[in-house]
Amino acid sequence: GAGVSQSPSNKVTEKGKDVELRCDPISGHTALYWYRQSLGQGLEFLIYFQGNSAPDKSGLPSDRFSAERTGGSVSTLTIQRTQQEDSAVYLCASSLAGDYEQYFGPGTRLTVT
Amino acid sequence: AQRVTQPEKLLSVFKGAPVELKCNYSYSGSPELFWYVQYSRQRLQLLLRHISRESIKGFTADLNKGETSFHLKKPFAQEEDSAMYYCALRISNYKLTFGKGTLLTVNP
Repeated sequence: GAGVSQSPSNKVTEKGKDVELRCDPISGHTALYWYRQSLGQGLEFLIYFQGNSAPDKSGLPSDRFSAERTGGSVSTLTIQRTQQEDSAVYLCASSLAGDYEQYFGPGTRLTVT
Repeated sequence: AQRVTQPEKLLSVFKGAPVELKCNYSYSGSPELFWYVQYSRQRLQLLLRHISRESIKGFTADLNKGETSFHLKKPFAQEEDSAMYYCALRISNYKLTFGKGTLLTVNP
C-alpha cells in the first residue's frame, strides 16, 4: 500500500521567506510526527499529533515553527521567516495509535540561502 | 533528561568481519529501545526492537540495563549492510529520542 508521502521533496528558499511542508500519512494512521534531521545532529522531534487531542509541540525550536493537521489526516509544517540554520531534512512519520512502529516519509530537504 | 548516545559517527569494516554499533542511553524509567536504519536513497525504517528479541537481517541487539546499553551486533557484515543506523529510546507511548546515528560502511 501507499506509504507516507511528503512534498515537496526539495525546497530552496531565501532567508526571511515562509515555507510550507506537507505530509500525507498512511491511511488509518491516527498518529503523526514531524522530525528534523540535521547533519551530525541525528533526528530531532518537533511535534506529535494524535487524533483530536492537543498536539505535543514540545520539540518546536522557536515560535517561527508551527504545524497543523486538518481532518486528522494531512499535516502542514510551516516555518516563518526562515533562517539558514533551518536548513535540514524534515521527516514526517505516522503510526497507529499507541503502536511502537513509526513509518517514515522520504523527507523534504530544505535549503535556506 | 533522557538521552541516547552513539559514540561512533563513522564505522568501517570489511565484508565478513563482525560489526558492533554502540548505543548507550540515559533514562530513569523503564526503557524501550529500537534500532532504525536508513539505506542510501531509502526511507528510515525500523530494524529491530528490544522487546521482540529477534534477529533481523542477521542483526541482534541486547538490552543491558546495568550498562544502559543496547549495542547492535552482526557476526558477519555484508556490503548491503552499509547504511546509517540510529538508536532510539521510547519515553512515552509515542515520543522517540534518537541518537545522532552511525554511518556503517562495509568494504568488499
